Amino acid sequence: GIQVEQSPPDLILQEGANSTLRCNFSDSVNNLQWFHQNPWGQLINLFYIPSGTKQNGRLSATTVATERYSLLYISSSQTTDSGVYFCAVGENNNDMRFGAGTRLTVKP
Amino acid sequence: SAVISQKPSRDICQRGTSLTIQCQVDSQVTMMFWYRQQPGQSLTLIATANQGSEATYESGFVIDKFPISRPNLTFSTLTVSNMSPEDSSIYLCSAGHVEAFFGQGTRLTVV
Repeated sequence: GIQVEQSPPDLILQEGANSTLRCNFSDSVNNLQWFHQNPWGQLINLFYIPSGTKQNGRLSATTVATERYSLLYISSSQTTDSGVYFCAVGENNNDMRFGAGTRLTVKP
Repeated sequence: SAVISQKPSRDICQRGTSLTIQCQVDSQVTMMFWYRQQPGQSLTLIATANQGSEATYESGFVIDKFPISRPNLTFSTLTVSNMSPEDSSIYLCSAGHVEAFFGQGTRLTVV
């Protein structure tokens, strides 16, 4: 099956810093999404981005489908950005395959 | 978008018992999905639930341990059977028309 690799596994930032999270996947996909899992376990949809670039406030994402990778950018990080960021891909019907995640800690 | 409601949100269960988790979607969807997230790990797909047919299970998951019902296009249940402490996890359901949305999860602790 499709493989999803995320890097880095852990990231510690000072408040106000910028960061880039990467997601590599092993095959063509119909769906790619970024999620933020908060400390209570809730998965928050950040981006639905099988290709192209999107921006939402301080967050933006780019997927280069032909090269099988996606990037999530976080600018001017805040302590509330802390948590685990997951990249997930779907081949057919939203049966999503998740990467291992990037655990982000933003220190005040 | 899709709004997905799951219950219970958490439970503590005795080993050897079973727990049924309910998932309700605010619109009709063809497929619903069940995931497990073990402590400190990522999400793993358990099975795909289609209305009117048996669920399709991923490698490593079997129907006897995780029976699934899908009685209509907005509802599904996952049962965790004959539980052991190794079943302590967060269980999540998912659905969506284009983009996948997730319920808030059921945090299960087996003692």
